[in-house]
Amino acid sequence: GNSVTQMEGPVTLSEEAFLTINCTYTATGYPSLFWYVQYPGEGLQLLLKATKADDKGSNKGFEATYRKETTSFHLEKGSVQVSDSAVYFCALDNTGGFKTIFGAGTRLFVKA
Amino acid sequence: DAGVIQSPRHEVTEMGQEVTLRCKPISGHNSLFWYRQTMMRGLELLIYFNNNVPIDDSGMPEDRFSAKMPNASFSTLKIQPSEPRDSAVYFCASSPPTGLNSPLHFGNGTRLTVT
Repeated sequence: GNSVTQMEGPVTLSEEAFLTINCTYTATGYPSLFWYVQYPGEGLQLLLKATKADDKGSNKGFEATYRKETTSFHLEKGSVQVSDSAVYFCALDNTGGFKTIFGAGTRLFVKA
Repeated sequence: DAGVIQSPRHEVTEMGQEVTLRCKPISGHNSLFWYRQTMMRGLELLIYFNNNVPIDDSGMPEDRFSAKMPNASFSTLKIQPSEPRDSAVYFCASSPPTGLNSPLHFGNGTRLTVT
């Protein structure tokens, strides 16, 4: 079946450090891949997405590249800020929008 | 764009009581999803609707849980009777009819505490 595995948190970084959150997936067909972010007290919101192999999604300084050969979609940011502290969810969908599969989430703390 | 609106934001109730959670999806979106989030189990899909029709309710944990979508702008999730293990944050999400690659738009959730 379809599944998403992401690195366990929490991840604690100092401001301006480099961020990587690993995400690998198992899926039939050619899924779309997503990163969502959840700030305290809020729902998840889309951060970025990629719809086919070698696509790079980017937003707010975050990037992730769809790697079909390694079935991965790692999230990166070159310089994190305190305001990036949140929970990050990797997700996939190969059902045309009917059933998104989420990873367990990775909590990020950024210290000033 | 008002976003997905959920009410109430917080609900505290005693075991055995009926709880009703409400959701207004984004206008024009034709898919609606109910999720439950807990520390132990993460984010679980409970049920989703397409064009107001329940498509998959396999995630609904027990018969105590029921969901309705009487029209395109309103959905409810009901728990009767509630139990302490139902304590969680319940999210409603909607997505547009463009289908493939459409992201989910989440509300801010209802935090339910059953004592």
